[in-house]
Amino acid sequence: GAVVSQHPSRVICKSGTSVKIECRSLDFQATTMFWYRQFPKQSLMLMATSNEGSKATYEQGVEKDKFLINHASLTLSTLTVTSAHPEDSSFYICSAPDPDRADNEQFFGPGTRLTVL
Amino acid sequence: DAKTTQPPSMDCAEGRAANLPCNHSTISGNEYVYWYRQIHSQGPQYIIHGLKNNETNEMASLIITEDRKSSTLILPHATLRDTAVYYCIVDYGGSQGNLIFGKGTKLSVKP
Repeated sequence: GAVVSQHPSRVICKSGTSVKIECRSLDFQATTMFWYRQFPKQSLMLMATSNEGSKATYEQGVEKDKFLINHASLTLSTLTVTSAHPEDSSFYICSAPDPDRADNEQFFGPGTRLTVL
Repeated sequence: DAKTTQPPSMDCAEGRAANLPCNHSTISGNEYVYWYRQIHSQGPQYIIHGLKNNETNEMASLIITEDRKSSTLILPHATLRDTAVYYCIVDYGGSQGNLIFGKGTKLSVKP
C-alpha cells in the first residue's frame, strides 16, 4: 500500500519555541492531507485539512495562527506549532487519501510525539 | 461525531479468533464501513473495508449484516502483536474526506 512518512518522530522543545512537523506521501501525490491530534487515552481529533496550493481549513477551536499549515507540493505538508506551550504536548498524526483510488482508504503517518517543557 | 458504537475493550486468547463488533444503525446506502487499528504510539493502520458484501484479506475478515446496521471484524488467529485499539469508521467511499474516529475497542490478546 501507499506510504506516508512523518518527521520528526519525536521532539522535545522549550515553551515558547516553534516546532515544524513534516508529512510526506512517498509514492503517491496527495492534493489533500489531514492533520490530527491525539491526547493520551483519547481518540484522534481532526485539527485541519491541508490543501495543496490553497489555504488550510481548520476545525472549530483550532487556532490557525498557532498551528500553521503549508502544503506547497503534492507530496509535502508541514504543520508548525508556533510559540508552543505544555498544553500543546500531544501526538500529531497526518493522513492522506490516494486520489487515484475510488474508495477513501486513508494512509496514515507514524505520528510525531511533541513534548513541550 | 462518530456514527459507530463499539465496546470499549475486549480480551482474546492468543491463537483464538477475535470478533470485534460495531454498530452503525444510521449508515446510509453509499457509506462504507472501514476498520483501522492503532498500536500504541503509532499511526493508525488500515485493515479492511466493505460496502455490502463480506470481505476478506490477509489480515482479517469483515462481516456486514444484511441490513448493514452492524458489522464484525474477525481476526482469525489473534497474536500478541494484534493488541491494539480497533476503530470502526463509516464514510462515503469517494469522499476523499477526513475519517471521523470514535473511541474504538481496545483489544488485548493474552498468552
